[in-house]
Amino acid sequence: DQQVKQNSPSLSVQEGRISILNCDYTNSMFDYFLWYKKYPAEGPTFLISISSIKDKNEDGRFTVFLNKSAKHLSLHIVPSQPGDSAVYFCAASEGAGNNRLAFGKGNQVVVIP
Amino acid sequence: DTAVSQTPKYLVTQMGNDKSIKCEQNLGHDTMYWYKQDSKKFLKIMFSYNNKELIINETVPNRFSPKSPDKAHLNLHINSLELGDSAVYFCASSQGRKDTQYFGPGTRLTVL
Repeated sequence: DQQVKQNSPSLSVQEGRISILNCDYTNSMFDYFLWYKKYPAEGPTFLISISSIKDKNEDGRFTVFLNKSAKHLSLHIVPSQPGDSAVYFCAASEGAGNNRLAFGKGNQVVVIP
Repeated sequence: DTAVSQTPKYLVTQMGNDKSIKCEQNLGHDTMYWYKQDSKKFLKIMFSYNNKELIINETVPNRFSPKSPDKAHLNLHINSLELGDSAVYFCASSQGRKDTQYFGPGTRLTVL
C-alpha cells in the first residue's frame, strides 16, 4: 500500500516557466514532508521540507505548499532552469524526529532550454 | 570528499551467490540507512542503525543482514541471492532521528 503517491510521472516545461509537482498522501498521521531531487546515477539529495504546522515554505526558487485537509502537497519551481531536469521524490514521516520516511515513486522533470 | 560513499557501484552476480555492499559516511552522522529502489522506482527503507544499534528493520528476508562496525559504516550482506533482489540499493545517513537524510550514489545489483 503506497502511502505517498505521485501521479503524472513526467513533466516537460520551458526554461523560465513554472514547474509544479504534486504529491498526495493517505496516512493522516504524517506531519512532516520533504522533497528530494535525483539526477541519474546519483543518490537523492534533499531539496526542501515542510512541517504540518505550516502551509508554505519557500527556499529560493523552490516553494512547497501543504494542504492538510486534502492530504496534498505541491512543489513549485520558479523559474525553471535546465539544471532542474531530474527526478523529484516526495517523502513523508510521522513527526520530524521520526526517521522512517515513506517515498513516492518520483516525477521526472525535463526543462527545455 | 564524498559525504556518503558506496562500493561497488555496480554488482552483477549469479543466483545463489553471497555478496556484500559497503557504505561509509564522513559527515559525522550517527544514524545510517539502507533503502531499496525496485524496478517500479519505489524507494523503500530496509534498515536503520543509530549508534550501531538496529532501530528499523522492515519486512526484509533474513537473507539480508546489515552490519555496522562503527557509526561511520553500514554494510549490507546478502546471502543466497535471488532474481528479485535485483535493484538499486541506496545507503543514507542523518544526524540523529532527523529526516534530512543524505544519500549515497547507489549500488545497482543485477542477479542473473
